[in-house]
Amino acid sequence: ETGVTQSPTHLIKTRGQQVTLRCSSQSGHNTVSWYQQALGQGPQFIFQYYREEENGRGNFPPRFSGLQFPNYSSELNVNALELDDSALYLCASSLAETQYFGPGTRLLVL
Amino acid sequence: GESVGLHLPTLSVQEGDNSIINCAYSNSASDYFIWYKQESGKGPQFIIDIRSNMDKRQGQRVTVLLNKTVKHLSLQIAATQPGDSAVYFCAEKGASGGYQKVTFGTGTKLQVIP
Repeated sequence: ETGVTQSPTHLIKTRGQQVTLRCSSQSGHNTVSWYQQALGQGPQFIFQYYREEENGRGNFPPRFSGLQFPNYSSELNVNALELDDSALYLCASSLAETQYFGPGTRLLVL
Repeated sequence: GESVGLHLPTLSVQEGDNSIINCAYSNSASDYFIWYKQESGKGPQFIIDIRSNMDKRQGQRVTVLLNKTVKHLSLQIAATQPGDSAVYFCAEKGASGGYQKVTFGTGTKLQVIP
């Protein structure tokens, strides 16, 4: 186990709704990265937070947003959900170069 | 997001044999490479990493080889076991606009035949 936890484990939403996913990083890790993993594909980088600031973003629209809290836990928010947002959402925490992943949240958009 | 292949290449290996999983990376500026193992329903699990100033690194039953000339990375698993069955991803990391961005490859599914 990596010590990275995510909630909820599974979630079903309908198109147009909003969703918030949560991640608790491994103790002492000040950097959290979020990834989207569609079925049969590798994780795609969404964005990264370092000490409560977004310091990098992948090719995802602004309706994907996030937060990092003083205890380094993090949230991923997705507005105006689309069917293609159905995926496994992974967070990874790190202190140095190696990222440690949580189990993910499986999101299904109907 | 970036487009990647929809069909995972599959490697079938007899239990006890050695496995070699290959990966081509794209960014010659990448300075750090990682192999992850992902079992069904779980997040990626760190296996081994290597920096760009090295060409080989060994762990427990695993060896990573890096060939920067042809931008190729491989993962060798010795004496493959049924518990090694999973999808394996290589990932590259390099500085991008002030942060370290990790880019994952397509993945290879390893099936171990008992």
